[in-house]
Amino acid sequence: EIVLTQSPGTLSLSPGERATLSCRASQSVSSTYLAWYQQKPGQAPRLLIYGASRRATGIPDRFSGSGSGTDFTLTISRLEPEDSAVYYCQQYGRSFPLIFGGGTKVEIK
Amino acid sequence: VQLLESGGGLVQPGGSLRLSCLASGFTFSEYAMSWVRQTPGKGLEWVSSIGGADDDTHYADSVKGRFTISRDNFKQMLYLQMNSLKDADTAIYYCAKDGESWNGVWDAFDLWGRGTMVTVSS
Repeated sequence: EIVLTQSPGTLSLSPGERATLSCRASQSVSSTYLAWYQQKPGQAPRLLIYGASRRATGIPDRFSGSGSGTDFTLTISRLEPEDSAVYYCQQYGRSFPLIFGGGTKVEIK
Repeated sequence: VQLLESGGGLVQPGGSLRLSCLASGFTFSEYAMSWVRQTPGKGLEWVSSIGGADDDTHYADSVKGRFTISRDNFKQMLYLQMNSLKDADTAIYYCAKDGESWNGVWDAFDLWGRGTMVTVSS
């Protein structure tokens, strides 16, 4: 079973700064089947990125995803106050169980 | 386009509960659906998924043999029958929709409901 490890646990940055979130898999994951979600307090998760690098509908272009194999990255190029949230990576596709990473909390100073 | 869960509540250990999810705004039968849960303040845990028809189902080891996922495409409803509930099943349960039409490959979740809270406690 794949384990997804996200780092750092918490990221505290100022508006306008660049955020780099890491998702590392215990074994190779097809980039076709790696997603990122954003979850704000009291809300359901929202799909940001699928297929490792494809933005979901309506997602601002300051959010981008990259990576392959065992190392994937979510980058928020210019942080805005509304980006304060927990971000999760997820492996999906042809095999079960579907796995979520433990999450990275992004705090805006 | 939305998903609306219902059926959560307080139940004693060993008890049963049936969650429902009403889908609207899309052709429900064309998409795989899933349940994902979250203990308050903790991360996301996939629980179960069902393909576009109802003959392809999968479960997390933590719920296998106790939970049953099903769907009624005519009513546009997704269900989760939860039996032999444990304290560890306490969580918010989200209904989630696959992003692509069902083609045998499970997709990322592009639509989530607001969740329904299940509390297992004596």
